[in-house]
Amino acid sequence: GQNIDQPTEMTATEGAIVQINCTYQTSGFNGLFWYQQHAGEAPTFLSYNVLDGLEEKGRFSSFLSRSKGYSYLLLKELQMKDSASYLCAVLDFSGGYQKVTFGTGTKLQVIP
Amino acid sequence: DGGITQSPKYLFRKEGQNVTLSCEQNLNHDAMYWYRQDPGQGLRLIYYSQIVNDFQKGDIAEGYSVSREKKESFPLTVTSAQKNPTAFYLCASSIGTGSDTQYFGPGTRLTVL
Repeated sequence: GQNIDQPTEMTATEGAIVQINCTYQTSGFNGLFWYQQHAGEAPTFLSYNVLDGLEEKGRFSSFLSRSKGYSYLLLKELQMKDSASYLCAVLDFSGGYQKVTFGTGTKLQVIP
Repeated sequence: DGGITQSPKYLFRKEGQNVTLSCEQNLNHDAMYWYRQDPGQGLRLIYYSQIVNDFQKGDIAEGYSVSREKKESFPLTVTSAQKNPTAFYLCASSIGTGSDTQYFGPGTRLTVL
């Protein structure tokens, strides 16, 4: 089975930097996704990490440490439109097939 | 425009009735998925299909059924056997399974009265 942990809620100020952490436990790790989901809308893809290290994509960066079972999403120069839930999802190979399991998500509120 | 569509956005049904949610994609993706999202919980996988005429149960398949007769379409039926069907249902597709990014439809919010 899998266990994925993320903080439930976070608040940050416009223009600031925020780091959203995700820890996981799985036996057949094959990669980790981050998705953004605005309230009532579909999740949209942000990043995919399979190797250790930092992947930067504009204002958003994602980090992975496979040995620690840990990832974070870093959002810089926060904007009001970044208020959303951020979902960590782990790709796991077990039982002969690959499967993506989502965490419960972190609801980020950006305040002026 | 290429994309994945779900209709309707909001759906109301009486308890005891079966209801079918539609999901269509024109991305030429082989794999399609159905998830359910409830407040305070992550997306939970109901069914997925890797290829036409083939599908597998996810974590919470009880009370649901699917078909995959065409590559573009993956309808989900919520049967009267589903004990708590009121939820936000999301359909997704990807080129293949595994590390391929999943692209989500806009979702259908089902309310059973």
